[in-house]
Amino acid sequence: DAGVIQSPRHEVTEMGQEVTLRCKPISGHDYLFWYRQTMMRGLELLIYFNNNVPIDDSGMPEDRFSAKMPNASFSTLKIQPSEPRDSAVYFCASTPNGATSGGHTDTQYFGPGTRLTVL
Amino acid sequence: GDSVTQMEGPVTLSEEAFLTINCTYTATGYPSLFWYVQYPGEGLQLLLKATKADDKGSNKGFEATYRKETTSFHLEKGSVQVSDSAVYFCALGDFGNEKLTFGTGTRLTIIP
Repeated sequence: DAGVIQSPRHEVTEMGQEVTLRCKPISGHDYLFWYRQTMMRGLELLIYFNNNVPIDDSGMPEDRFSAKMPNASFSTLKIQPSEPRDSAVYFCASTPNGATSGGHTDTQYFGPGTRLTVL
Repeated sequence: GDSVTQMEGPVTLSEEAFLTINCTYTATGYPSLFWYVQYPGEGLQLLLKATKADDKGSNKGFEATYRKETTSFHLEKGSVQVSDSAVYFCALGDFGNEKLTFGTGTRLTIIP
């Protein structure tokens, strides 16, 4: 299995530009999570999906951030317009359906991350 | 709400030293507990987990025991190696919920 795939691995952009981050989860996984990691705030959950439907977007910092999952094998996180404080590493993770493991929370499998720098 | 408190780092040890990274949690239900590890430039990966009280998770020489009475899941390794240098995250997931609550992470550096 190829694991969770994220692209691009690095993105450098200027303030005000639109940024789109992409994620391909592990095939057969029902849940997809987007996280942001910074030195100041650590690891933050932004949003997660179950079967392509957003379940909890309470971590999305503001309206400039949006996420979609048009099908089971693809998700995007968009920032428009971008600001320097959005600079961070963004991770995507996926997990199987927890019900198949007796209701216990399943292991999340993380992608390699996208390092975003907004100048 | 659920929370995880981890030992603050950074932690620096000599090779072959004994390692303990403390983790305590607060949860209303019956959570599963996890340790994830993040090597430089990579995403997090599962190190070990436990799903009920008194379970011991183990992997790559690391161990952690789910202690319900002390609400703890401390990570231990008897003899660390330079290759163990990484950031370690404790996390919990409530029963029936796929969302994880992470601790702040502990940066570990092993000196040869």
